[in-house]
Order: sequence, then structure tokens, then C-alpha cells
Amino acid sequence: NAGVTQTPKFRILKIGQSMTLQCTQDMNHNYMYWYRQDPGMGLKLIYYSVGAGITDKGEVPNGYNVSRSTTEDFPLRLELAAPSQTSVYFCASSYSGRGQFFGPGTRLTVL
Amino acid sequence: KQEVTQIPAALSVPEGENLVLNCSFTDSAIYNLQWFRQDPGKGLTSLLLIQSSQREQTSGRLNASLDKSSGRSTLYIAASQPGDSATYLCAVRPTTETSGSRLTFGEGTQLTVNP
Repeated sequence: NAGVTQTPKFRILKIGQSMTLQCTQDMNHNYMYWYRQDPGMGLKLIYYSVGAGITDKGEVPNGYNVSRSTTEDFPLRLELAAPSQTSVYFCASSYSGRGQFFGPGTRLTVL
Repeated sequence: KQEVTQIPAALSVPEGENLVLNCSFTDSAIYNLQWFRQDPGKGLTSLLLIQSSQREQTSGRLNASLDKSSGRSTLYIAASQPGDSATYLCAVRPTTETSGSRLTFGEGTQLTVNP
């Protein structure tokens, strides 16, 4: 099992550009999550999904969008990048809310 | 709203010392509590998961305890080693969270074990 994989590992965007952060899990988990982690801070939930076709907002959803067309994939889209979105983004998955498993993260800088 | 606090924010100890990391939460209505380890520039690795009905969980040199009534959990690390140096995060899943099982995270304790 590869677990939770995320691409890319690093990315630099200019203000106003858009991009998609990819997340895939091969554990057949039904729940998936996107978090952001700012320096010295805990993790804040952006969006989550309890199954294919079902998504919902977390604590800090503004400026982001998600989709969940398959059990395995949960991409996160930034439409108009802003400096405030400079952060490290983590994807996680779990089976029906049992312990969450995290990907290695994507480090995003918006200049 | 559930809030999770971890004190201290940073801790430095000599190798071989036993140590305790603290986590407190404001709402005792939790389903479970999870301790994670995060190495610099890396993702989170789950260490221990304690269900609300449990008092403690052990894995090797790690022991996590849970006291729901007082809103506290501790992570005990025995005979610390330089390889234990990392940031340790705790996260709670509230019982009121019926959809998505979302976690609320503390800000972490950065542990340094000096050789």
C-alpha cells in the first residue's frame, strides 16, 4: 500500500493563478480531508468528503474547491491564488472516522 | 466550540529522560483522541488512538492516557532518544461530529532530545 499520496510536493504560484493539488489513497477509505498548516500552527480543515460525490466545508473553505468523483481521489482546487494561501497542505483519509492517515504534504508559496 | 491546547509549545531534554507531553480540550464530549508525530517538512504519522471508553493506550516506549472528565490527555515517552525529536500533535474527534468525523488539532509541542 502506498497509503495517501500527494502531488506536487512543492509549488510556487503567482497571485491570481490557479492550480489543483492532487490526493490519492489506496486504502479504500471512505472519508477524505484537506487541511492547511501555517507556520507554528495546528492544522485547519478546509474541506472533507464522506464518500464519492459528497463533499462539505470545513473551517477555512474560502478560496478553495473540491470534488470527489471516485473513492480514491480527492483533488483540491485553488482558483485565484492569494498570498494568504501560502501554506503546507495535507490530505488525509480514514475509514468511517477511525484514525486518520496523512499524506506527505504539498508546500505552496504564492508570490 | 472545541479548543485543543498543548503545553509547552517547545521542550528540550537530555537523552534518556522520561517525559510527558500535555494536551487539554475544552469539551469533554469526545469520541476519540489521536496523537501524531510530525518530522520537519513531513506529514503526520499517527502514534496512538484512544477511544473515549479507554483510559490509556501503549505502543513501545509511548503511553497515552485520557481523562475525559478533566479534558486532559498525556503522552508519556520513556527513555527518550534523539530520534524522538519532532513535533507532537494531539487531535480530538467530538461525539457531536456525526458527519465526516472531523478532528480539532492542538498547535503541537516541539520536542528536542539532546544526545
